[in-house]
Amino acid sequence: QKEVEQNSGPLSVPEGAIASLNCTYSDRGSQSFFWYRQYSGKSPELIMFIYSNGDKEDGRFTAQLNKASQYVSLLIRDSQPSDSATYLCAVNAKQAGTALIFGKGTTLSVSS
Amino acid sequence: KAGVTQTPRYLIKTRGQQVTLSCSPISGHRSVSWYQQTPGQGLQFLFEYFSETQRNKGNFPGRFSGRQFSNSRSEMNVSTLELGDSALYLCASSLGEGWTEAFFGQGTRLTVV
Repeated sequence: QKEVEQNSGPLSVPEGAIASLNCTYSDRGSQSFFWYRQYSGKSPELIMFIYSNGDKEDGRFTAQLNKASQYVSLLIRDSQPSDSATYLCAVNAKQAGTALIFGKGTTLSVSS
Repeated sequence: KAGVTQTPRYLIKTRGQQVTLSCSPISGHRSVSWYQQTPGQGLQFLFEYFSETQRNKGNFPGRFSGRQFSNSRSEMNVSTLELGDSALYLCASSLGEGWTEAFFGQGTRLTVV
């Protein structure tokens, strides 16, 4: 059974701090990795994707991938109260297409 | 550029009935995937269609089915509804070639009573 594991949280950080969200996956054949943000009552919104080992930065967000350790993380710098949401890690389980396996999500709370 | 459109947004059905949900992908996207989201199980993959063919399938019973039309619009059907089918059903659109990013619609909230 292919799995994606996340700490459910809640992860609480003060405004301006760095939030670190972690995810592990079981399928060594996974090729692409995604982070989605989901506000309560809304649909998931894609915020980052990463395909290669290393870091990928986009504004205040940095995704990190370590395929040897089967580990992917998301860093949010200068956290804002508007970042408070559930963050979903997703892994593409197939050679092609978008059959994503999702973790259960980590709830982030940023206090002002 | 218009996003992914799902209709209807809300549905209430009775056990035993069937339901059809619709999804219009982003213009130019050829892949449509369907997911079920519940508080207990999270987001679970149902199936993916690409160029009118089912390309991938999740671990759901045969009561769940789908199809895709030549304009890439997709429908999913759930027959003989059960209480446990109450969920948010999400459609995701992607270009479909290789490993591509998927963008979600607003979802259809299905309640089975």
